[in-house]
Amino acid sequence: DAGVTQSPTHLIKTRGQHVTLRCSPISGHKSVSWYQQVLGQGPQFIFQYYEKEERGRGNFPDRFSARQFPNYSSELNVNALLLGDSALYLCASSLTGGLDGEQFFGPGTRLTVL
Amino acid sequence: GQQVMQIPQYQHVQEGEDFTTYCNSSTTLSNIQWYKQRPGGHPVFLIQLVKSGEVKKQKRLTFQFGEAKKNSSLHITATQTTDVGTYFCAVSFGNEKLTFGTGTRLTIIP
Repeated sequence: DAGVTQSPTHLIKTRGQHVTLRCSPISGHKSVSWYQQVLGQGPQFIFQYYEKEERGRGNFPDRFSARQFPNYSSELNVNALLLGDSALYLCASSLTGGLDGEQFFGPGTRLTVL
Repeated sequence: GQQVMQIPQYQHVQEGEDFTTYCNSSTTLSNIQWYKQRPGGHPVFLIQLVKSGEVKKQKRLTFQFGEAKKNSSLHITATQTTDVGTYFCAVSFGNEKLTFGTGTRLTIIP
């Protein structure tokens, strides 16, 4: 069975641009969460979507937005990119809407902002 | 905000030695998860602990949840080179977001 997939794997942008990252959860999983992982740190929670509704939001500015589609795939959008947005962006899926169960992570998208 | 502190930040051990990482919270936790992230990889779920004083084992790995449900530990017996990576604890405060600890990076000296 396919795991969580993310695209693209790598991305280079310049300051001020916007970016869209994509995630496809494991088949049957209805919850998708997004995390930002800066080098040397743990993943930081950005959003959780369950059944196409936002369930949780971390401490990120409004430049960050996301949505979940009817097929449960998800997009993370970041506007007006800053150098500090350079990070590994991880998507995780799970069966249920709660965050108290196993999260299955994708390989991530490495974003570099120049 | 609510945080989980993890110690140590780094650990270098000789192959065959034991390794332990600790996760501490100032508030009582409903549950705690542990993940492993290999260099260049993504976090992989290891286990979830729910009950006070719970101890779970996976081969050479032993996970423990404190009696007060404010701390947890992961112990690896007789480390191997395949154990290299960063170990994270993660908790969900109020089930609103998953908060990861700072991680302990384990390196093995052959």
